[in-house]
Amino acid sequence: DAKTTQPPSMDCAEGRAANLPCNHSTISGNEYVYWYRQIHSQGPQYIIHGLKNNETNEMASLIITEDRKSSTLILPHATLRDTAVYYCTRKPGGTSYGKLTFGQGTILTVHP
Amino acid sequence: EAEVAQSPRYKITEKSQAVAFWCDPISGHATLYWYRQILGQGPELLVQFQDESVVDDSQLPKDRFSAERLKGVDSTLKIQPAELGDSAMYLCASSLERGTSKRTQYFGPGTRLLVL
Repeated sequence: DAKTTQPPSMDCAEGRAANLPCNHSTISGNEYVYWYRQIHSQGPQYIIHGLKNNETNEMASLIITEDRKSSTLILPHATLRDTAVYYCTRKPGGTSYGKLTFGQGTILTVHP
Repeated sequence: EAEVAQSPRYKITEKSQAVAFWCDPISGHATLYWYRQILGQGPELLVQFQDESVVDDSQLPKDRFSAERLKGVDSTLKIQPAELGDSAMYLCASSLERGTSKRTQYFGPGTRLLVL
């Protein structure tokens, strides 16, 4: 199964870190983990991606376990505007033309 | 910041009618994707183009759906005839690909289709 597994929903208090887990136990060695989020009625927005090393950008941090079977997206200081559906996806790397495989995502609700 | 453009944003049609959606990818992006997203689910790939060539249309219902990218730039997705079950968000995405490390897909705002 090429899909990922995420909790259906999570809550977070504004200003606190939001830690969103993802299970991808069947991931292949050349598959990247990509995270997107989707705010109601908009297209998915790219957040971050990684292969095996932890990654950080201006939006978030991505922690990938050493066995690569799971990862965690960290929003260090969540705001109300971070309320969205967060998708953890997989995509082959290398030179193959790989599609993103989306699961059902995690609905993150940031509350005051 | 460059964005993927899609039109129309909303479309209401009656079943058995034909509908068409248009996508203009980010300039220079060789790979273009069409996804369908049913309410409450994640997007699912319908078709993928590399320049003007289709590289994956395994999930495209070819009896009623067609897609083209004639000059390797913008693309059109057509449904004929539309069915009630086609009501969904249709998303277009693009990426540089072409053997580079920059394979991140960037999505457009989508076209929300309602078939009555």
